[in-house]
Amino acid sequence: AQSVTQLGSHVSVSEGALVLLRCNYSSSVPPYLFWYVQYPNQGLQLLLKYTSAATLVKGINGFEAEFKKSETSFHLTKPSAHMSDAAEYFCAVSREANDMRFGAGTRLTVKP
Amino acid sequence: EAGVTQSPTHLIKTRGQQATLRCSPISGHTSVYWYQQALGLGLQFLLWYDEGEERNRGNFPPRFSGRQFPNYSSELNVNALELEDSALYLCASRGRGIPLEQYFGPGTRLTVT
Repeated sequence: AQSVTQLGSHVSVSEGALVLLRCNYSSSVPPYLFWYVQYPNQGLQLLLKYTSAATLVKGINGFEAEFKKSETSFHLTKPSAHMSDAAEYFCAVSREANDMRFGAGTRLTVKP
Repeated sequence: EAGVTQSPTHLIKTRGQQATLRCSPISGHTSVYWYQQALGLGLQFLLWYDEGEERNRGNFPPRFSGRQFPNYSSELNVNALELEDSALYLCASRGRGIPLEQYFGPGTRLTVT
């Protein structure tokens, strides 16, 4: 069975600092991987997805993630945090239509 | 292109009542997923509908049920409401085949008093 683990339920960075949100997956075969963002009292918005075309994936709002098979990781990064990035971020893994698994989420706080 | 829509935005019910939540998928999407997001519990998978059929359900009691209509919209029903059913209920839709990403609606906030 596949699953994802997000390391750190809360991450705090200063405005302008690097954002690094960690996600590790377990899957018996190469999966599809996703990052979603959720702003307060809203649904989830797709940030980016990995579908084996390229290991470095660029998403919206300046975010990107790198698929590292040897480390079974799919960490999300952004070079310079903005106040508007404060939200909850979910990593998800899927291999089949009926089986998308979400991580527990990481709440990002951006300090002025 | 219109996104996933959900109604109502907020719903307040008392314990023991029934709640009905509605979801309209993105045009052309045939799969609808329902999730419960209770405070501090992350996203819990509830139900998956595809082409009008229930394809999978999560670890929830039978009082959580739903259906998918011929136009692919969906309804989630929660019977005999309990206080712990208070949560944000999210609906997501997905198109056929690959890719597998799901697109989420804004959610319905259900409060049970």
